[in-house]
Amino acid sequence: DTEVTQTPKHLVMGMTNKKSLKCEQHMGHRAMYWYKQKAKKPPELMFVYSYEKLSINESVPSRFSPECPNSSLLNLHLHALQPEDSALYLCASSQGGDEKLFFGSGTQLSVL
Amino acid sequence: AQTVTQSQPEMSVQEAETVTLSCTYDTSENNYYLFWYKQPPSRQMILVIRQEAYKQQNATENRFSVNFQKAAKSFSLKISDSQLGDTAMYFCAFMKPLYNNNDMRFGAGTRLTVKP
Repeated sequence: DTEVTQTPKHLVMGMTNKKSLKCEQHMGHRAMYWYKQKAKKPPELMFVYSYEKLSINESVPSRFSPECPNSSLLNLHLHALQPEDSALYLCASSQGGDEKLFFGSGTQLSVL
Repeated sequence: AQTVTQSQPEMSVQEAETVTLSCTYDTSENNYYLFWYKQPPSRQMILVIRQEAYKQQNATENRFSVNFQKAAKSFSLKISDSQLGDTAMYFCAFMKPLYNNNDMRFGAGTRLTVKP
């Protein structure tokens, strides 16, 4: 299994809602990543987890809260988002520091 | 901090011809990796090719090859015998390996259209 699975594929939420994005991999990778991609822009790194511990936080607003409950699962909890947070959220995983990233197909988020 | 520059926002090529996409980067690191990722309309990020900075030999993957010039900090992608399925956004990426994970950053991208 060489897949990174993201759910849901699409999400529409209001500014007062609380929702979560889920990412799962079963490749035994110990590093997992969240990227945000606005339309016609490159992916921007948000968070990196290594061995279930937060390794990189790119000064992301606190309305985005990552969680890594185990080595296969990565969540992104969303609360009080703004319309400008509408984007494609990509999850990725890697075996180690010198290995390529495997990407999921993303969650397209719309904030109304 | 590392920066990645792709100076060609859009390019087009006729089917079966060859096209080269440009990428330059700036870093003070000695150990790093460079990648080209492809993102078709489905928005799935697909790895095209990878280059280790410590290797002088240019990476090749079937119709895809790179011209890696470390001193010039240049990393271009050549696509030979272009196919309609190559139509996509192409991102050049710089990766700095860390302990057990890495820091990967992307250029702005080049939108490639292959015309029949």
